[in-house]
Amino acid sequence: EAQVTQNPRYLITVTGKKLTVTCSQNMNHEYMSWYRQDPGLGLRQIYYSMNVEVTDKGDVPEGYKVSRKEKRNFPLILESPSPNQTSLYFCASSPGLAGDTDTQYFGPGTRLTVL
Amino acid sequence: DAKTTQPNSMESNEEEPVHLPCNHSTISGTDYIHWYRQLPSQGPEYVIHGLTSNVNNRMASLAIAEDRKSSTLILHRATLRDAAVYYCILREFKAAGNKLTFGGGTRVLVKP
Repeated sequence: EAQVTQNPRYLITVTGKKLTVTCSQNMNHEYMSWYRQDPGLGLRQIYYSMNVEVTDKGDVPEGYKVSRKEKRNFPLILESPSPNQTSLYFCASSPGLAGDTDTQYFGPGTRLTVL
Repeated sequence: DAKTTQPNSMESNEEEPVHLPCNHSTISGTDYIHWYRQLPSQGPEYVIHGLTSNVNNRMASLAIAEDRKSSTLILHRATLRDAAVYYCILREFKAAGNKLTFGGGTRVLVKP
């Protein structure tokens, strides 16, 4: 089944304790993104990647890192989490970049709470 | 991405059609119109997209006005599983950063 998977789905942690949220897609997609969703602010893009070893900042990259060593994986790293990073996180992938081929497939989400 | 305007919420009865309007008066000639929906406790899900002509797929139909300044997503027979927030999004032909700009969307309530 074509899908985007994220782990963990739920995570409660404390300020400053490094964590990684994994994202994997099995559709051989070139493009992957991370979003966070907060009440009243909608979904905002954190980072995106257009190919292996090619990543760039989205709208809200502060406090996050990503890597794209393999096409299928795009982990989100919080080196020193803070309470303002408490949010619902979504990973997404798409096959193309043009407006007709960039349908995005989203993962199920990771609910992160930083105490 | 260019701005879209949608009603905050709509209600429908089960098995009846739902027409979700979207205004995008600043659309440019190469912008695609995409619709996504987000069911409770799930990630957004692609519904349909189009450029100029009306489009149909297994989930819905998309009717695009002749001047492209508005569009309507049509769910032909709403089911309880269609209760979700529906987002209308304009995508540039070659959007940088592959970013989707989600507005507030329309929350659809389906009554049994």
